[in-house]
Formats: sequence, C-alpha cells, structure tokens
Amino acid sequence: KNEVEQSPQNLTAQEGEFITINCSYSVGISALHWLQQHPGGGIVSLFMLSSGKKKHGRLIATINIQEKHSSLHITASHPRDSAVYICAVIPNRDDKIIFGKGTRLHILP
Amino acid sequence: NAGVTQTPKFQVLKTGQSMTLQCAQDMNHEYMSWYRQDPGMGLRLIHYSVGAGITDQGEVPNGYNVSRSTTEDFPLRLLSAAPSQTSVYFCASSYGAGPVGGYTFGSGTRLTVV
Repeated sequence: KNEVEQSPQNLTAQEGEFITINCSYSVGISALHWLQQHPGGGIVSLFMLSSGKKKHGRLIATINIQEKHSSLHITASHPRDSAVYICAVIPNRDDKIIFGKGTRLHILP
Repeated sequence: NAGVTQTPKFQVLKTGQSMTLQCAQDMNHEYMSWYRQDPGMGLRLIHYSVGAGITDQGEVPNGYNVSRSTTEDFPLRLLSAAPSQTSVYFCASSYGAGPVGGYTFGSGTRLTVV
C-alpha cells in the first residue's frame, strides 16, 4: 500500500478552469510538500505545509492534518501550468521524505 | 547563481562500470539527498545526509554509496553499474528535512546502463 496517494493520476482541462489535485497519506507527518515537475524534467518546490493554507499567485495549497489530506488548487489555469504535480510528506520523527507518484496535468488552450 | 549543481546531465555506462554523480550546493543547507525517478514509480530516496560527516540510507540504497565530507558536496557513487540503475537521478538540498525545509533540486542526471 502506498503511503502517499494522489488523485487524479492524469487530468486534462481547458484554459481558465479551476483545478484541484488531491493528496492523501497514511502516516503522521511533520510537513507536506507540493512540487512541480516541468515537461523538461526540472523540479521546483511550490509549497511546504504543516498546517492550514498557503497561497502563491494562482496556486493555493491546503492541508487537514486530522484527515491526513492535502489539496493543491490552481485558479484560472493556463497552458504553462501543464506539468506533473508531486505531493511528498515528511513522517513524524523521521528525516526521510515519501513521494506520491504525481498527477500529470495538461491544460488545453 | 545560488542553487544545486548536478553533473553530468547525461551519462551512458556499460554494465560493471563505476561512476560518481556530483552534487554541490552553495546555500549552506544542512540536508542533502539523492533520488531516482523511474516511470510509474515516482521519486524514491536513495541516500540522505543531515550534515557533514553524517549519511543514512533511504528507500533504495543498494548499489550506491555516498559521503559528505563538506557541507557543500554530496556525491553519489555507483559501485558496479547494472541495467536496473538506468534512471533519472536528482539531488536536492534543504535547511532541514522537516518543517523548516524547502527543497531545491538539481537539474537531474539521465543515466543509461547498457
């Protein structure tokens, strides 16, 4: 059983749509990360969360520690948002990071 | 530019050869780590270090060695390359693995073992 599950695995949407990507995990954590991997392969850290909500531009990340769930939202999506979005968690009392398998997002113009 | 420098970008090895993937950061980050990314598997942690002189194993450490003699450098050594080690490798650094850490990734090394 994967400790970090993302849904959907693949998502295609029209430009301008509101996008939600979900991440569920099964272990107690000290932090959760959202990463973006561009088609060229580079990986960028978007958010690190331990509680509540963070916003950066059109991206919003939320986390519910009790429900072991996080969401990444993209408002007014654009073709340049097309990428793989990866959720990763740091388990409590651990230095290791566990990754989800990613959500491949494709925004059509 | 500050960041994580990873070399080489591409490498082809023959089975049984050894090589070292280099990773250097200039942000004075304590935490450095190596990952491999395979289709359908996502990123998996190979080895990590919480500071100079300290290393530990991740999820898939077999066939790889690391050392951390300085804060800046964290090389990954393949001892005897095998086709199963064909993958894309990423190095990353952060202030810490937990709540204080925001990750900076290198640009990746695409390794093919034939």
